[in-house]
Amino acid sequence: AAGVIQSPRHLIKEKRETATLKCYPIPRHDTVYWYQQGPGQDPQFLISFYEKMQSDKGSIPDRFSAQQFSDYHSELNMSSLELGDSALYFCASSFYRGSTDTQYFGPGTRLTVL
Amino acid sequence: AQTVTQSQPEMSVQEAETVTLSCTYDTSESDYYLFWYKQPPSRQMILVIRQEAYKQQNATENRFSVNFQKAAKSFSLKISDSQLGDAAMYFCALRTGANNLFFGTGTRLTVIP
Repeated sequence: AAGVIQSPRHLIKEKRETATLKCYPIPRHDTVYWYQQGPGQDPQFLISFYEKMQSDKGSIPDRFSAQQFSDYHSELNMSSLELGDSALYFCASSFYRGSTDTQYFGPGTRLTVL
Repeated sequence: AQTVTQSQPEMSVQEAETVTLSCTYDTSESDYYLFWYKQPPSRQMILVIRQEAYKQQNATENRFSVNFQKAAKSFSLKISDSQLGDAAMYFCALRTGANNLFFGTGTRLTVIP
């Protein structure tokens, strides 16, 4: 079965640079979630989109922005990168059926900020 | 506010034996869902099992089952006939009407051959 695709898998950036992470949900899934998992931490919710509209917002810094496109893929844009942004960034997708949807995670993008 | 607590940072189990991972949660919402995700060394987040709060019957998926105690807000995961491939970090997660997941801090499970 098709899974969530994230690219790139690994990314190395310098401080103050920008980064763009991409997420391609499972076919027919209409909802995308972004999570950040720091070293030794549990995943923290950043932001989600349903039908190309932002549906919920978590602890996402103002330096980050995201959107969902007409083909349902999503991009997380990160500017003015800081050392503390080094983390594993997960995208998850689901098919919204009220409150019964289950989120399936992609393999993650490991971002290292030097 | 939602909280998820996993009080066992690490657990170990002998291969072929049974182990139970604990999770407690708190939410003021009546409609919610509980999940166990597994994160092996590859760091992939893999869904293990899910439980709807309105269902009294405990969920089961092959060797994995849960003990859902709604009044006590407890949601433990039992792994039977443990295998080497079960070694991973296990996260308990709660989803309410807001739809995003709240995770516990995880339990690292070691399987001893």
